[in-house]
Amino acid sequence: AQSVTQPDIHITVSEGASLELRCNYSYGATPYLFWYVQSPGQGLQLLLKYFSGDTLVQGIKGFEAEFKRSQSSFNLRKPSVHWSDAAEYFCAVGAGNTDKLIFGTGTRLQVFP
Amino acid sequence: DAGVTQSPTHLIKTRGQHVTLRCSPISGHKSVSWYQQVLGQGPQFIFQYYEKEERGRGNFPDRFSARQFPNYSSELNVNALLLGDSALYLCASSWGDRGSFQPQHFGDGTRLSIL
Repeated sequence: AQSVTQPDIHITVSEGASLELRCNYSYGATPYLFWYVQSPGQGLQLLLKYFSGDTLVQGIKGFEAEFKRSQSSFNLRKPSVHWSDAAEYFCAVGAGNTDKLIFGTGTRLQVFP
Repeated sequence: DAGVTQSPTHLIKTRGQHVTLRCSPISGHKSVSWYQQVLGQGPQFIFQYYEKEERGRGNFPDRFSARQFPNYSSELNVNALLLGDSALYLCASSWGDRGSFQPQHFGDGTRLSIL
């Protein structure tokens, strides 16, 4: 069965520090992979997606993610975090021949000044 | 352009009641999906509708039902509400063309509280 694991429930970083959020997936075929961000009381905003091709994908707000098939990973990175990046981050895999998304449990990011 | 809009924003119900949640997709999008997000969890897929037909269904009881209208808006209905139905209900829309996976664009959700 398809699944997504985000091992880190909560991460705290200082403003200006680099960030890496981990995501591992389980999926039999070539995965469609996504990162979404959710601010409190809001819906999900798409940060970036991987469908095929270049394994390093660029997204909005200065985020990037790297697809590593050998490790079944799709980690999200940002070189310098801003206080406004504090939010919940969800990794998701697209499953089947629908547009169904399977989400991880999320990683809550706190940013200290 | 307007994004995905959901109504109402918040709703309080009691056990045993039923509820209807509404969603309007982004203009031009023909697919609508519904997700349930319980506090502290990632969203769980409930339904997807495309061109008024059910395309996918998640592991939810028959108390949950949905439909899509000719203008591609959608309703999610939940009967016989339980305390465990308290959650943020998210609607997402996409172009929905078959043969390629479409990124989902989410609304801000309806917060449903069951007393």
